[in-house]
Amino acid sequence: AQTVTQSQPEMSVQEAETVTLSCTYDTSENNYYLFWYKQPPSRQMILVIRQEAYKQQNATENRFSVNFQKAAKSFSLKISDSQLGDTAMYFCASRSEGGSEKLVFGKGTKLTVNP
Amino acid sequence: EAGVAQSPRYKIIEKRQSVAFWCNPISGHATLYWYQQILGQGPKLLIQFQNNGVVDDSQLPKDRFSAERLKGVDSTLKIQPAKLEDSAVYLCASSFYGSAYNEQFFGPGTRLTVL
Repeated sequence: AQTVTQSQPEMSVQEAETVTLSCTYDTSENNYYLFWYKQPPSRQMILVIRQEAYKQQNATENRFSVNFQKAAKSFSLKISDSQLGDTAMYFCASRSEGGSEKLVFGKGTKLTVNP
Repeated sequence: EAGVAQSPRYKIIEKRQSVAFWCNPISGHATLYWYQQILGQGPKLLIQFQNNGVVDDSQLPKDRFSAERLKGVDSTLKIQPAKLEDSAVYLCASSFYGSAYNEQFFGPGTRLTVL
């Protein structure tokens, strides 16, 4: 069974600064995907960034990047130049390749960007 | 394109009453998911459909929860009878089967309060 752990319930950062959210996971699968989802207050969940486990290169999407450490089963999210609109719950999730495509989520990290 | 639609957005019921939620996925998405998100936790998959067939319902409390997806499009999730611990946000998601990442797109959710 897959498990995802986010050890930071809440974090805050000043606008324009950089923040890193932590995530560790456990899986017995060889092929899997990792995701970070953003859930703004009272708004729907959207995908921020994804990483295929077989790719060594860390994924990057504009101000968002990941640090994927496969051996350590770590998948952290770095947000550069934080903006007020980045205030949200952030969920780390994993999905195995093939079979059920369900996402297994962590408990989330509440990020507040302060002006 | 239109996103995943869900209704109602909010529902308050007494325990032991029945309730139903509706989801309309993105057009062309064969895979549909229902997740339960209890306050302070990440979403947990309840049931996954591929067209109108069930792929995974291992975490669905079948003594009180039921779901159907007639004609492989819209879906309804029912709780009968509801318990206090069913208070949660119920998220519907859909994905295009066979795409590279099978990215799941989420609806706005239905917030259920059981009194």
